[in-house]
Amino acid sequence: DADVTQTPRNRITKTGKRIMLECSQTKGHDRMYWYRQDPGLGLRLIYYSFDVKDINKGEISDGYSVSRQAQAKFSLSLESAIPNQTALYFCATRSGTRVFFGPGTRLTVL
Amino acid sequence: GQQLNQSPQSMFIQEGEDVSMNCTSSSIFNTWLWYKQEPGEGPVLLIALYKAGELTSNGRLTAQFGITRKDSFLNISASIPSDVGIYFCAGQTGTASKLTFGTGTRLQVTL
Repeated sequence: DADVTQTPRNRITKTGKRIMLECSQTKGHDRMYWYRQDPGLGLRLIYYSFDVKDINKGEISDGYSVSRQAQAKFSLSLESAIPNQTALYFCATRSGTRVFFGPGTRLTVL
Repeated sequence: GQQLNQSPQSMFIQEGEDVSMNCTSSSIFNTWLWYKQEPGEGPVLLIALYKAGELTSNGRLTAQFGITRKDSFLNISASIPSDVGIYFCAGQTGTASKLTFGTGTRLQVTL
């Protein structure tokens, strides 16, 4: 299975601050994803990337940006964090129909 | 966007009981996936279904791809405490790379 790691695992920040969440994977999968999880809402797609030069918006991309620095790395940025971006964020990779999730980053915006 | 309705939202059952949960969609899916998420972890794939009517098992877990392609079911037999977690369904259409996730079923197992 894919080894997907996320840093930081927990972060508390203030409204208006810029924050970056990092994701890396060791299995060479081309497709990488960022999801957000809120209680009662399941997982919602923020951005996804098929390759280093390919970036696509998901269903809730407003207020977020991403960078695919290398095949193994896909970072998510909040340019100016707001309290309703408090959530659990998951990075994922994909091989065929199998999606492998990282352990998650719990972000709190005060 | 597509909606996946998952029910029940939560279940409290006794060890040894069987569990059933389901997902329904307003759209047709070509692939159904079932995931389990434990506290502090990301979702882990349990079962993948690729064909309408398909019935697939993974140990005590059995999932079915509905004939209409708009629903899927997950059953857990003889539940044990380590079955505790949140179970998510996810659907995919065609060759699209995006998965649509259900809202999850939270399972609690009491001794």
